[in-house]
Amino acid sequence: GQNIDQPTEMTATEGAIVQINCTYQTSGFNGLFWYQQHAGEAPTFLSYNVLDGLEEKGRFSSFLSRSKGYSYLLLKELQMKDSASYLCAVRSPDSNYQLIWGAGTKLIIKP
Amino acid sequence: EPEVTQTPSHQVTQMGQEVILRCVPISNHLYFYWYRQILGQKVEFLVSFYNNEISEKSEIFDDQFSVERPDGSNFTLKIRSTKLEDSAMYFCASRGTGATEAFFGQGTRLTVV
Repeated sequence: GQNIDQPTEMTATEGAIVQINCTYQTSGFNGLFWYQQHAGEAPTFLSYNVLDGLEEKGRFSSFLSRSKGYSYLLLKELQMKDSASYLCAVRSPDSNYQLIWGAGTKLIIKP
Repeated sequence: EPEVTQTPSHQVTQMGQEVILRCVPISNHLYFYWYRQILGQKVEFLVSFYNNEISEKSEIFDDQFSVERPDGSNFTLKIRSTKLEDSAMYFCASRGTGATEAFFGQGTRLTVV
């Protein structure tokens, strides 16, 4: 079966660092995406990992370990506008672009 | 900055009626997708479209659904006879050749009553 697990909700303080984990069990793997989604809005692309290791992009970094079926999204210098849901999604190798989505992690930033 | 646009932003329809959700993908993109998200639930893949034909579809995308690219700019999703459980946010997305990132539109909130 296909399964992607993320924590349902996390809380962090403005200016701090937070790590959102994602584990996946899928029949194949051809990359992992992180998207940000503000309530009532469309998902927006944050990062893509297909090889093991860390990808850094400004305040956001994403890590992948294919052998462990594990990824995390690291957000630094948190701002209030980072309050959103963060969606982990996996692309299977036999798919053009069918993504298997996690339920998302709702991140609440407190002052 | 180019963006995917969707219309309408919100549509209310009676059960059994047909609805057409419209999308204008980014102009030089060739891969198009529809996703839906029932309130409070996961994003779900519906269909992908390339070269004027469906390339993949999910189990959700049954005979009640169809997609069309009627001209060079629009990409539509038709639900032939809506059911209450079709109430959801429907997102269109497009992707350029060789790109990994898909750009999502702002969505159409469909409410079936």
